This record gives sequence, structure tokens and C-alpha cells, in this order.
Amino acid sequence: QVQLVESGGGVVQPGGSLRLSCAASGFTFSSYGMHWVRQAPGKGLEWVAFIRYDGSNKYYADSVKGRFTISRDNSKNTLYLQMNSLRAEDTAVYYCAKDHRPAAMNYWGQGTLVTVSS
Amino acid sequence: QTVVTQEPSLTVSPGGTVTLTCASSTGAVTSGYYPNWFQQKPGQAPRALIYSTSNKHSWTPARFSGSLLGGKAALTLSGVQPEDEAEYYCLLYYGGAHPWVFGGGTKLTVL
Repeated sequence: QVQLVESGGGVVQPGGSLRLSCAASGFTFSSYGMHWVRQAPGKGLEWVAFIRYDGSNKYYADSVKGRFTISRDNSKNTLYLQMNSLRAEDTAVYYCAKDHRPAAMNYWGQGTLVTVSS
Repeated sequence: QTVVTQEPSLTVSPGGTVTLTCASSTGAVTSGYYPNWFQQKPGQAPRALIYSTSNKHSWTPARFSGSLLGGKAALTLSGVQPEDEAEYYCLLYYGGAHPWVFGGGTKLTVL
């Protein structure tokens, strides 16, 4: 069965950095695009970033562009989100989700909480 | 900046029918926006329900259906169950540099 397990969340000071990971299993990871989606406490879902199956194309929300970098290691079945210059408004649960063509998401991880606070 | 709008809250009686909608600030929602619908219960990750306007995932209960209605994407629940009480989010695909935008969510209360 498909499993997505996020890790790497925690408390970080404003301006700091954090790298999230998403370990995938139960499907051919190298054949699918992957998303990061976040949810601030008590708020709705916000799409953050997408990477194609082979890493050839990456897309970002305006709110994170230039600060966050999505990447993947298909040999390790792992998706990453490098987050730099973190702000208080980046505080959220971060989910990874498997892409489902066309233009959809089907499976989601349980999320990892990132708190940006001094 | 593209905005996707949903009803903030709706209430339905058990066994009843309710329709949630999803509008785009850019104009009418068409199948080319590949509307998706997700359900999220408190403390849980979102769960995918509908993709490409009306297609169900293998786990989607039959009482959920998706459509286009009056220039919006729509999610209809027929024969609502108490366990359907949740937040529902739509997702539209715009392509380009910032392809995906979520709606603000609809809190569905079953009462």
C-alpha cells in the first residue's frame, strides 16, 4: 500500500532553515510527480511546490518562491523541501502528496509540523 | 492573484443532500481546471475524493459526486451520513508558473 511519511519538522527561529523529508513506499516513486502542501494552524490548505517525476521541472507558490527548494532522490524514494529564510507565517503542518494525473493528488502523508518562532 | 472561493460553512440533516461549490476569480470553472475535492477531518490529513471534475478514487463512497454547475465546480453529497461532517476543499489547476490553488474550504456540519 502507498505510504508517505514526512519528517524533519520542528521549531526554528525566524530567518533559519529546515529541511523536510518525505519517505515514499508502495509505488514506483520515480514515475510520479510529488507535491508539498501546507496548512497553518486553524487555516486552510495551501499548495506549496511540485516536482516532476524526474526532477526536470519545479513549481512554487509565490509565498515561498526564492526561499524554498523542492527536490527528490529517486534512488532513495525520498522527496525533500529545503526551507530557508523562514518567517513566522511559514508555521504550518507540511504534507507531501503523490501526484495523480491529470493535475490531481491522491495519497497524502500525515504531515510534519514546522514552527517558526523566537 | 488567483482566488478560489467556497462557501465558508453549510449545514445538512442526516440523510439529506447538499451541494458545495468552488468558484474561480478568473471566470467560469471548466473541465480544463481539473477540479479536485478533498475531505479533511480534525487532526487528520486530507483525503482525496474527486479528481478531474467527476472521477472518484477507488475509496470514494458512492454518495459523493462531482460536477460543473453554473460556472463552478460542485461536490454533491446524497444521503449524508454523520461521518461526513468535515472540512471540504476544492483544488483547481491553472497551469503556468503557479499551477495549483486551493479553495478556502467549506465546513460541513451534519445536524
